Amino acid sequence: DAGVIQSPRHEVTEMGQEVTLRCKPISGHDYLFWYRQTMMRGLELLIYFNNNVPIDDSGMPEDRFSAKMPNASFSTLKIQPSEPRDSAVYFCASSSRVEKLFFGSGTQLSVL
Amino acid sequence: RKEVEQDPGPFNVPEGATVAFNCTYSNSASQSFFWYRQDCRKEPKLLMSVYSSGNEDGRFTAQLNRASQYISLLIRDSKLSDSATYLCVVLSGYALNFGKGTSLLVT
Repeated sequence: DAGVIQSPRHEVTEMGQEVTLRCKPISGHDYLFWYRQTMMRGLELLIYFNNNVPIDDSGMPEDRFSAKMPNASFSTLKIQPSEPRDSAVYFCASSSRVEKLFFGSGTQLSVL
Repeated sequence: RKEVEQDPGPFNVPEGATVAFNCTYSNSASQSFFWYRQDCRKEPKLLMSVYSSGNEDGRFTAQLNRASQYISLLIRDSKLSDSATYLCVVLSGYALNFGKGTSLLVT
C-alpha cells in the first residue's frame, strides 16, 4: 500500500494567488482529514469527511478555504486568495477508524 | 484555552535515561486518548493508545487519569532514535485534537 499521497510536497506562491492541495487517501479508508500545522498553533483540524461527505468544517479559518472530496480516492483543499498567514504544513490523513490516522507527507506552503 | 496542553520542552536527556511527558485535556467528555510521534519534517504517526488501566509497549508506558484529566507517557532506557516530538491526542466527538507536542532530544 502506497499510503496517503499528497501533492505537491512544496508550494511557493505569491499573496493573492489560488493554491490547490491534493490528497489521495488509502484505499478502503472511510475518513479523510485535512490538518494544518504551524509552530505557533500546532496541528489544527480544518475539515474532515466520512464517505466523501464533509462532516465538520468548523476548523476552516474563513471563506477563503474550501475542500472537496468528489470520490473516495481524491480530495482537494483550495485557498483563494492566499495570504502570507496561510503559510504552514498542510497534512491530509485517512483512516478506517477515527482514532488511528495515517498521515501523508504533507505540503509545505509558503505564501510570499 | 487549547483543548490539549503539553509542556513543549525540549527535554534533553542522555541515552539510557528515563523521561516522562505529561498532558492535560479540557473536555471531560473525551472518549479516547493516544500518543503520536512526529520526527523532524515528517508526518505524525501513532505511537500508542492510552487506556484507563495504563498500558505498556516495550520501553513505553502510557497512563490516563480521568479524574484529573491527565495523560502521561514514560520512556525507559532512552535511545538516540527516540528523539522526536511526542504529541498528546484526545478524541472528542469524531475528531482527534492534537497537543502542540513535547520535543525530546536523546544524546
